[in-house]
Amino acid sequence: AQKITQTQPGMFVQEKEAVTLDCTYDTSDPSYGLFWYKQPSSGEMIFLIYQGSYDQQNATEGRYSLNFQKARKSANLVISASQLGDSAMYFCAMRERNFGNEKLTFGTGTRLTIIP
Amino acid sequence: NAGVTQTPKFQVLKTGQSMTLQCAQDMNHNSMYWYRQDPGMGLRLIYYSASEGTTDKGEVPNGYNVSRLNKREFSLRLESAAPSQTSVYFCASSDGRDTQYFGPGTRLTVL
Repeated sequence: AQKITQTQPGMFVQEKEAVTLDCTYDTSDPSYGLFWYKQPSSGEMIFLIYQGSYDQQNATEGRYSLNFQKARKSANLVISASQLGDSAMYFCAMRERNFGNEKLTFGTGTRLTIIP
Repeated sequence: NAGVTQTPKFQVLKTGQSMTLQCAQDMNHNSMYWYRQDPGMGLRLIYYSASEGTTDKGEVPNGYNVSRLNKREFSLRLESAAPSQTSVYFCASSDGRDTQYFGPGTRLTVL
């Protein structure tokens, strides 16, 4: 079974609209972390937001928020008031820890295109 | 601070050639990682090192070796390159808390 599933290979959104990128995960570890990274066409991986499995509130970072629904095992990224510069690949990832070792598993990504 | 640096940025190899990808971080992180990114596959973990002197296999270790030279440096070696190893390689480091920091990547083509 896939540990991280991103079901939207591509999305087109009008500028200034809000957009939700879907991510579901699968783990039996009670302590885990969920991340979103942005990869623009230049190729670098840019950290956006983090949610810990025990965090009571949904994480927010500026225009980014993470809609964390633990029972459904989903961690969707919400971008408010989208901008042209938001056009990029977006990856959801999950951190698990086993015996002190940390591993990060990535989804296959969603390509977001913002339309002017 | 430079963060995570990788060399080279681009490399073209012929099948059977060997090479080493270099990675260094200046954030005093204990953990370091090597990933490969293929189209449509996301990032996959090749090897990681939880601390200086230790290395462990990730999801796709075959055809690669690693060396954690010291706390700062973590190298990835391809002993006999194959076309299937054409990919973008990312190094990352972590302090074991909230996030991993990525280098700019190395684009490798094996002919």
